[in-house]
Amino acid sequence: GAVVSQHPSWVICKSGTSVKIECRSLDFQATTMFWYRQFPKQSLMLMATSNEGSKATYEQGVEKDKFLINHASLTLSTLTVTSAHPEDSSFYICSALLAGGGTDTQYFGPGTRLTVL
Amino acid sequence: LAKTTQPISMDSYEGQEVNITCSHNNIATNDYITWYQQFPSQGPRFIIQGYKTKVTNEVASLFIPADRKSSTLSLPRVSLSDTAVYYCLVGDSVDSSYKLIFGSGTRLLVRP
Repeated sequence: GAVVSQHPSWVICKSGTSVKIECRSLDFQATTMFWYRQFPKQSLMLMATSNEGSKATYEQGVEKDKFLINHASLTLSTLTVTSAHPEDSSFYICSALLAGGGTDTQYFGPGTRLTVL
Repeated sequence: LAKTTQPISMDSYEGQEVNITCSHNNIATNDYITWYQQFPSQGPRFIIQGYKTKVTNEVASLFIPADRKSSTLSLPRVSLSDTAVYYCLVGDSVDSSYKLIFGSGTRLLVRP
């Protein structure tokens, strides 16, 4: 149980284009999902918290107009990197919060490798 | 935000027990401690979660002392496939959400 998927697993795009990444909780509902970014040899950096039916909450320094987040259902959150540039190339990972039973646990997707040429 | 401190790296050999200790001096009363494993180019994988004392599952044990200012992940009889980065995280409940702030993690290398 507690499986999270991401699509696509990797994407290559030209500078200036937009890229959408999907995050789905496959066997549970998640009112809260999270988006992280990870550069090589570094730890995960939280970008934003995605809440179903409301606006996302962005971490300090993350441009909300560049990284658009939509959490339209209890099992799907999307991250759109708008006008992507080479410096946006990174490994993007989402997680979904499984809440209940007194504890909350984040389950992570497999990640999406974005390369901007 | 409750921060965590872990050793940057550890070496071990196949078949040995590995214990990774994490410090979280500012843990809040309601926070749980969660450990994840991450392989290169993959998302973190949930290993174990606990609040106090000892928790055991099919892959690991988690020891948490009474003051909860630290925790120890114990991996019994590691194999080469356990080579990975291990993250200790303490939940930070903000406005009913559950943010996790990742530290640098511990890079475990298991040798033959």
